[in-house]
Amino acid sequence: DAGITQSPRHKVTETGTPVTLRCHQTENHRYMYWYRQDPGHGLRLIHYSYGVKDTDKGEVSDGYSVSRSKTEDFLLTLESATSSQTSVYFCAINTRRGTGGDTIYFGEGSWLTVV
Amino acid sequence: AQSVSQHNHHVILSEAASLELGCNYSYGGTVNLFWYVQYPGQHLQLLLKYFSGDPLVKGIKGFEAEFIKSKFSFNLRKPSVQWSDTAEYFCAVNTNAGKSTFGDGTTLTVKP
Repeated sequence: DAGITQSPRHKVTETGTPVTLRCHQTENHRYMYWYRQDPGHGLRLIHYSYGVKDTDKGEVSDGYSVSRSKTEDFLLTLESATSSQTSVYFCAINTRRGTGGDTIYFGEGSWLTVV
Repeated sequence: AQSVSQHNHHVILSEAASLELGCNYSYGGTVNLFWYVQYPGQHLQLLLKYFSGDPLVKGIKGFEAEFIKSKFSFNLRKPSVQWSDTAEYFCAVNTNAGKSTFGDGTTLTVKP
């Protein structure tokens, strides 16, 4: 358990509405990530952050934005939700310290349904 | 860019059978390698990881994996599976900038 909390855990929303998912960590890790998981696609990286206000796009970033104003929080926003964004969203952290090995740990997931 | 290929999408075994799940990656440099397990309705949990040293890595729940550099492979093994091993298994490669690339996963069903 890497001290990762995601909220909300489950949400149903309507097409066209904005949605924000929150990821909170308690161990001051620098790297944080948002993935989505869909059948047949495995895990795909949406956005990641390597520090406060430092973020970058992953492979499926269209329609998503992120913010990291504090080390412990990484927010994922769907600006205008679409049905194709119905998915399970996982936040993750990297336990890298200095030049040590990278290990990624996942939160428990947020199930989002867009109707 | 790195990529990860898991050969089997769905594996069905009887209890006590031996397991081997294939994972190949493409990347020319130094890699860190991982296997994760995801039980139904849960998040991914780390099974084992390889950074350097002994290429045979032992993880939790009796799983092990062998890194064969010449084959760009990191196959997961377990000598005798149990019904509780029913889950989805993901291989992952981490190169730099703290980013991991995941395979599409292998669903393991163990019949009692």
